[in-house]
Amino acid sequence: GNSVTQMEGPVTLSEEAFLTINCTYTATGYPSLFWYVQYPGEGLQLLLKATKADDKGSNKGFEATYRKETTSFHLEKGSVQVSDSAVYFCALISGSRLTFGEGTQLTVNP
Amino acid sequence: EAGVTQSPTHLIKTRGQQATLRCSPISGHTSVYWYQQALGLGLQFLLWYDEGEERNRGNFPPRFSGRQFPNYSSELNVNALELEDSALYLCASSYIDRVPVSPLHFGNGTRLTVT
Repeated sequence: GNSVTQMEGPVTLSEEAFLTINCTYTATGYPSLFWYVQYPGEGLQLLLKATKADDKGSNKGFEATYRKETTSFHLEKGSVQVSDSAVYFCALISGSRLTFGEGTQLTVNP
Repeated sequence: EAGVTQSPTHLIKTRGQQATLRCSPISGHTSVYWYQQALGLGLQFLLWYDEGEERNRGNFPPRFSGRQFPNYSSELNVNALELEDSALYLCASSYIDRVPVSPLHFGNGTRLTVT
């Protein structure tokens, strides 16, 4: 079956630090890959997506590249802000079934 | 465009009672998904409805059930509530026949507390 593995959290960074949250997946076929973000007290919001190998998704300074050879979709941001504090979920869709990783709690301190 | 709306925002029940949670998808979306999020992380897939039919079900007991109405809104029912059912229940909607695949759009959830 499909699965998504995220790096364990929580992750705590200082403002302007570089962020990487690792995500690897197992899936049959050619899944689409997503990063969702959940701010405190809210539902999940789509952050970025990539639908085929070597695609780069980007939004709000976040980037992730669909690497089929390493089955990875790592999330990166060059300079985090306090407002980026949230839970980040890596996910894939294959056969109309969305599978989430466990989520990574990010806290950014001023 | 109005987003996915869920009601109620909070729900407090006692063990053994029944809970009904409601979800209205984004206009034009035919698929509705339900997820359980316990302990602030980790989404567990509950149910997927499309065009009024249950398409897939997660690994939950039968006391978790639901339905989708002709207007594509959906209800999640939880019978014989147990303490461990306390969680945030998230609803999401999407198209399923768009290429590339349409992502899910989530509501803000219903916080269910079982005492």
